[in-house]
Amino acid sequence: QVTLRESGPALVKPTQTLTLTCTFSGFSLSTTGLCVSWIRQPPGKALEWLARIDWDDDKYYSTSLKTRLTISKDTSKNQVVLTMTNMDPVDTATYYCARTYSFSWFDYWGQGTLVTVSS
Amino acid sequence: DIQMTQSPSSLSASVGDRVTITCRASQSISRYLNWYQQKPGKAPKLLIYAASTLQSGVPSRFSGSGSGTDFILTISSLQPEDFATYYCQQSHSTPITFGQGTRLEIK
Repeated sequence: QVTLRESGPALVKPTQTLTLTCTFSGFSLSTTGLCVSWIRQPPGKALEWLARIDWDDDKYYSTSLKTRLTISKDTSKNQVVLTMTNMDPVDTATYYCARTYSFSWFDYWGQGTLVTVSS
Repeated sequence: DIQMTQSPSSLSASVGDRVTITCRASQSISRYLNWYQQKPGKAPKLLIYAASTLQSGVPSRFSGSGSGTDFILTISSLQPEDFATYYCQQSHSTPITFGQGTRLEIK
């Protein structure tokens, strides 16, 4: 059974760095073809893909956010970590992690974690 | 980046209606197009992948078609549980992009 769960602070201050962790089970990120992405959704708005890390440690980022994002994995712990620097109130959103197989569709999602950016 | 444009942005329909939602890509994406359903407070749920393949467990009233730049999601006979927001997503190339969503409301 595949599950993913996001964790991290619910509230961050402007200019701070956000660190989110996706802890998953039911698969291994050392398996060829498997990838984990981060996706966010501001309240009442559309989904926005942020970053992806692949089984072979290749990394891909949103064009508009790539200077602020870093994605990494710890295969032994079944975790993927996303850091986003210089947080701003417009970054207030629910952040999801999701699994992809072979660069395709998101077949499993976490339940999401709401991050509010406010002083 | 590949831009994904959905239409309409919102739609009112009744139980039993046939509904179509369109998604257009800014360049050809072959059949690398996926559809998701999202209900309030929940994560998106995969409905259709590779333009027309129904995800396991998804009712057969959902169908997808298209290739290249133009794609359609069809719900053949709306059920009460289908009122939600629908998103298309291209998996042709990174950065991955989503449409802006179509909110399906009860008339």
